[in-house]
Amino acid sequence: ELKVEQNPLFLSMQEGKNYTIYCNYSTTSDRLYWYRQDPGKSLESLFVLLSNGAVKQEGRLMASLDTKARLSTLHITAAVHDLSATYFCAVGRLRGSQGNLIFGKGTKLSVKP
Amino acid sequence: DTEVTQTPKHLVMGMTNKKSLKCEQHMGHRAMYWYKQKAKKPPELMFVYSYEKLSINESVPSRFSPECPNSSLLNLHLHALQPEDSALYLCASSQAPTGAPYEQYFGPGTRLTVT
Repeated sequence: ELKVEQNPLFLSMQEGKNYTIYCNYSTTSDRLYWYRQDPGKSLESLFVLLSNGAVKQEGRLMASLDTKARLSTLHITAAVHDLSATYFCAVGRLRGSQGNLIFGKGTKLSVKP
Repeated sequence: DTEVTQTPKHLVMGMTNKKSLKCEQHMGHRAMYWYKQKAKKPPELMFVYSYEKLSINESVPSRFSPECPNSSLLNLHLHALQPEDSALYLCASSQAPTGAPYEQYFGPGTRLTVT
C-alpha cells in the first residue's frame, strides 16, 4: 500500500526566512504533484514532477523529486505572508490500469511579519 | 479552458432529503473524480470514472450514488445522509486515465452541511 508522509504538518515562519517541506512516499512512483489550498477553497496545482531529478521553480517556491530516495521537497525562499496556505503533496499510482493520486496529510504554513 | 465547475457552492440538507451535486469540465478529460474533504484533512477519494464508466469505488456508502451522463458531466446523488457526511466535496478531472496517474484539476467544491 502506498503511503505518503509530509513533514512538518504545521510550519510557522517569519517573513524573509527560508524553509523546506518534505514529502516521503513508500513505494515506487515517478509522478509527484504539489497542490496549494487556501482556507475554504479548492486545490490549486503548483508543480508537476515527472522524473527523477526534476526541479521546478515558480516565484519563491521550488520543488524537486528524488525517485530513488522516494522524496520530494518544496523549498520556500524569503517567505511572504501571501504564501500562507496548506500545501499537499500527492503521489501518482496505478490501480490496475487506473491512475490515481495519494495525498499526504498536508503542511499548514503560516507566514508572520 | 482549464476550469472545472461545480454547483451548488453550498448545500444544506436534512437527513431525509435527496439532492445532487454537479460537476462539469470542458477540457476533453476522460477521467473524473469525486473527493470528500473534512476540515484540516487531505482529500479522500470516493469515486473515479474512466471513459464514463465507474472504475474505482472506495467502499463508499450507498447513500452516495455517482453518475456520469457524458464525458463532460459528473453528478453525485445524495440520499439519507448523516451529519458526519458534512464536508467539502471536490470534483476533479484528468487526461485519459489509463496507464499513468495524470495531474488532476480540481473544481471549487461544494460545501455540504447535513442537519
